[in-house]
Amino acid sequence: SYVLTQPPSVSVAPGQTARITCGGHNIGSKSVHWYQQKPGQAPVVVVYDDSDRPSGVPERFSGSNSGNTATLTISRVEAGDEADYYCQVWDSSSDHPRVFGGGTKLTVL
Amino acid sequence: EVQLVESGGGLVQPGGSLRLSCAASGFTFGIYSMNWVRQAPGRGLEWVSHISSTGTTIYYADSVKGRFTISRDNAKNSLYLQMNSLRGEDTAVYYCAREKLITMLEGYFDPWGQGTLVTVSS
Repeated sequence: SYVLTQPPSVSVAPGQTARITCGGHNIGSKSVHWYQQKPGQAPVVVVYDDSDRPSGVPERFSGSNSGNTATLTISRVEAGDEADYYCQVWDSSSDHPRVFGGGTKLTVL
Repeated sequence: EVQLVESGGGLVQPGGSLRLSCAASGFTFGIYSMNWVRQAPGRGLEWVSHISSTGTTIYYADSVKGRFTISRDNAKNSLYLQMNSLRGEDTAVYYCAREKLITMLEGYFDPWGQGTLVTVSS
């Protein structure tokens, strides 16, 4: 089955740029979605289809996807961005096709 | 307002059964695929099951295949997850999530319900 690999943690100072990666074999050929989950809350999509943002998500959140790595970039990080972030793809070759990465804890220093 | 509300969670003994429900409102439930996703305490998200809008296409994670059954009633705007032969490792918050398609076959999860906690313990 398809495996998505995320770093367990990323730390960044307020105002700086955070980059969270999601690795997978030829992930550039797939559509990647990113979810933000704050403690005690349900996940919320922040980027879908590699780089699209749902309405209401700040422009500070952006995504890219190429080769074997997809990246969620958060510019001008704020304290309120501290959360767990998960990538997700659809694996067309599988009979259990929805796959999540292991998640990355973003800490704002 | 688009809303998903899960119910049916609780404490169950190993080997027992539980049926989760997800009530949808604020959108045309019958045209959307739906999913169940779970999260064990302190762990990441694990996709559990998918059902297409008409119920004709269903997928399960290997960890629940043969024990869990997903279903839906479009007339009642409801999604279900029948969980049998429960194990300790099934302990988790279970979320239902609508799938917004970006192609004919796949999409992203939006929105999610608030989740319902299932605890499997003797």
